[in-house]
Amino acid sequence: GAVVSQHPSRVICKSGTSVKIECRSLDFQATTMFWYRQFPKQSLMLMATSNEGSKATYEQGVEKDKFLINHASLTLSTLTVTSAHPEDSSFYICSAGKKVNYGYTFGSGTRLTVV
Amino acid sequence: AQKVTQAQTEISVVEKEDVTLDCVYETRDTTYYLFWYKQPPSGELVFLIRRNSFDEQNEISGRYSWNFQKSTSSFNFTITASQVVDSAVYFCALSDRGSNYKLTFGKGTLLTVNP
Repeated sequence: GAVVSQHPSRVICKSGTSVKIECRSLDFQATTMFWYRQFPKQSLMLMATSNEGSKATYEQGVEKDKFLINHASLTLSTLTVTSAHPEDSSFYICSAGKKVNYGYTFGSGTRLTVV
Repeated sequence: AQKVTQAQTEISVVEKEDVTLDCVYETRDTTYYLFWYKQPPSGELVFLIRRNSFDEQNEISGRYSWNFQKSTSSFNFTITASQVVDSAVYFCALSDRGSNYKLTFGKGTLLTVNP
């Protein structure tokens, strides 16, 4: 159990366009999902906490208008990178858990390249 | 504040050697959870273990073992008889009530197992 699916796994987009990344919990309901960003050879940086039915909570320094998060159902959270720029190129990964203190399952990640 | 320190940035061993990855954590909470994740070159994070602060028993799972010592705030991970497939980045992580159970990651240790 506790499978998290993330799509797409890779995406290349042009500067100025928007990209949507989906994160789905396949076999459980996730009231909370997390979005991380990882630069090459670095650790995971938490971007935001996605809450079902309410606004996401962003970490300090993360532009909420740039990284739009929607958690419309108990099994789906989306991250939209708006007006993407080359510096947004990174590895984005989501996670979810059945209960916040039970551990988290991670999606397979999305490698975004903005050209 | 929560903090996870993985002092070893990179470790290189020869196949069949034993290797220990160190993890030291800081938290003010008495209830907290510690995790280890494996990130192979493909990028996905693979959950290895979750340990709560009230359970100091060491754990063994096949070639993997974990040593949790609250006295030294350490949660070290040992791979016995390492294999090439063990090559990956390994992250130690902490979640506690003070962080609303969000994961705080260490910087990771890149383990390379050479044939």
